[in-house]
Amino acid sequence: AQSVAQPEDQVNVAEGNPLTVKCTYSVSGNPYLFWYVQYPNRGLQFLLKYITGDNLVKGSYGFEAEFNKSQTSFHLKKPSALVSDSALYFCAVRDDSGYSTLTFGKGTMLLVSP
Amino acid sequence: KAGVTQTPRYLIKTRGQQVTLSCSPISGHRSVSWYQQTPGQGLQFLFEYFSETQRNKGNFPGRFSGRQFSNSRSEMNVSTLELGDSALYLCASRWTEETQYFGPGTRLLVL
Repeated sequence: AQSVAQPEDQVNVAEGNPLTVKCTYSVSGNPYLFWYVQYPNRGLQFLLKYITGDNLVKGSYGFEAEFNKSQTSFHLKKPSALVSDSALYFCAVRDDSGYSTLTFGKGTMLLVSP
Repeated sequence: KAGVTQTPRYLIKTRGQQVTLSCSPISGHRSVSWYQQTPGQGLQFLFEYFSETQRNKGNFPGRFSGRQFSNSRSEMNVSTLELGDSALYLCASRWTEETQYFGPGTRLLVL
C-alpha cells in the first residue's frame, strides 16, 4: 500500500524568506509524485509533478520540489515566499500501475506573514 | 480549455436521503476520479472511471456508487445519507498524461 507523510501541520514563514514544506512517501515501484495547493472553499490546484528525470522539478508560481529517492522525500520549496502563497498544500503519490488513484498526505497549512 | 466543472456546488440534505453529484471533465479527458475530503480523514479516493467502466474503487461502503457516460461526464450517488457523509466531494479528470486536474468540488452537508 502506498502512503504519504507530511510531518508538519503548519509552516510559518515571513514574506521574502525561503519556504520548505516537507513530504515523504512510500510506494511500490516507481513513484509518481505531485504537489497540489488548496485555497479556502476551492478545489485542488496542480503545482508540479515528478515522474522521471531531473530530481529538481520546477512548477507554477515559482515553486519547485526536490525528489530524493534514497530518503523517499519530495519537499516543496520556494526561494521567496509571498503572502498570497498562504494556503493548504498537499503532497500526493501514485504508483506506476496506470491507475489514477492518488494517495494524499494530511496537508500542511502554509502561513506567510507580511 | 474549460476546467473540470462540478454541480451543484453546495447541497444540504437530511439523513436517509440520497444525493447525486455531477462532474464534467476537461474536454478530451476520458478518466474521471472522485475523492472525498473531510477534516478528520483528509482526502480519500472513492472511485475511478475510464471509458464508462469503473477501473478502481476505494474503501467505501456500497452506498457510494458512480457511473460515467459516453461523453465522459460522471455522476456519483450516495444513498441513505449519514451525518458522516458531510464532506467536500472532488472530481478530477486526466487524459493519457499523468496529471489529474481537479474541479471546485461539491460541498455536501447532511443534517
